[in-house]
Amino acid sequence: DARVTQTPRHKVTEMGQEVTMRCQPILGHNTVFWYRQTMMQGLELLAYFRNRAPLDDSGMPKDRFSAEMPDATLATLKIQPSEPRDSAVYFCASGLEESEQFFGPGTRLTVL
Amino acid sequence: GQSLEQPSEVTAVEGAIVQINCTYQTSGFYGLSWYQQHDGGAPTFLSYNALDGLEETGRFSSFLSRSDSYGYLLLQELQMKDSASYFCAAYTGGFKTIFGAGTRLFVKA
Repeated sequence: DARVTQTPRHKVTEMGQEVTMRCQPILGHNTVFWYRQTMMQGLELLAYFRNRAPLDDSGMPKDRFSAEMPDATLATLKIQPSEPRDSAVYFCASGLEESEQFFGPGTRLTVL
Repeated sequence: GQSLEQPSEVTAVEGAIVQINCTYQTSGFYGLSWYQQHDGGAPTFLSYNALDGLEETGRFSSFLSRSDSYGYLLLQELQMKDSASYFCAAYTGGFKTIFGAGTRLFVKA
């Protein structure tokens, strides 16, 4: 069955290292979202794309975070350099209608 | 600012009915969605209301009142597996969705 996939599922890295998270949206979905979830802040929208074009990345710290969609089957979220405060679960979601988003399993990031 | 308010925790007994409320304040509003998230899992879509009124999907129903900036999720015939976090989310236009902080539901035997 169709689902959003994310890699890696878990990532432990040291402060200052680059982290790249990947997402494969459901085939045919034209909207892709990146969220970050922490206990303190809940689910925060970082960036989203429509037909591969970035629509809004105002939720992302611009100095260290970047999001791209090199093609319709791949979305990436990069953090460089990573910091301990970036530790969180990062979710990718895709959809056709804004009202319903299909979430991937998430990448649990720990920055030491 | 834009915000959604929902209770942090709700406890109910198996077989009972529980209502999780959500009030929103957004600069634009097109509809309210509800998502369920089990511990360690990803949010999964439950329902969406664009118009005032009640939408029913099996044991779950969702209600919206645009004039009151208010909605709720109603869970009937509670089961232990319904123990999870429930998020309301406002679609504010331009494909942007803002999530509430979530309500943790504990179902007791």
